[in-house]
Amino acid sequence: NAGVTQTPKFRILKIGQSMTLQCTQDMNHNYMYWYRQDPGMGLKLIYYSVGAGITDKGEVPNGYNVSRSTTEDFPLRLELAAPSQTSVYFCASRDRGLTTNEKLFFGSGTQLSVL
Amino acid sequence: GQQLNQSPQSMFIQEGEDVSMNCTSSSIFNTWLWYKQEPGEGPVLLIALYKAGELTSNGRLTAQFGITRKDSFLNISASIPSDVGIYFCAGQEETSGSRLTFGEGTQLTVNP
Repeated sequence: NAGVTQTPKFRILKIGQSMTLQCTQDMNHNYMYWYRQDPGMGLKLIYYSVGAGITDKGEVPNGYNVSRSTTEDFPLRLELAAPSQTSVYFCASRDRGLTTNEKLFFGSGTQLSVL
Repeated sequence: GQQLNQSPQSMFIQEGEDVSMNCTSSSIFNTWLWYKQEPGEGPVLLIALYKAGELTSNGRLTAQFGITRKDSFLNISASIPSDVGIYFCAGQEETSGSRLTFGEGTQLTVNP
């Protein structure tokens, strides 16, 4: 079972470069999320989506963009990478329903360094 | 925004000891979740709590939803080396819809 798949696993960017972190899930989940995790910190919500064509900002959206053209895919775009965006990025998904947060599935993360 | 205070930040214990950690929030939550994260992996759910006062176990793990709805506790009994990892609490406010807030994590080290 694939679940939530993130690519790449690791990436090093130069300041000002752009890149897209890919996330895809094969569970037909409506809700998808992007989090970042800084060393010694919890997860901060960047953006989320409750369905194809719908996206909303989380706690720390600045410097990022997302799109949700299909149910399966939720890519995260960094347009002008900055050192402050060095972090581990996690994509997650779950089914619809207010009481189904326990069914939040995480990908294995993307380690991004901006130098 | 909403903050969760999780403590302790880290724990170093001997195999066989019991462990306790907790989270507190500044507002009322209707869901509390506890996750474990191992190196190089995403968090994995351990226990989910939905009612004030609820006490739920998962093997050697026990978690409680505080009566005030502003806190939660996780206990691990008779720790073993494979319990090593980072434990996160997460909560959902009544008004937050589909969004979870995560604590900063408790790094657990178990010495054999």
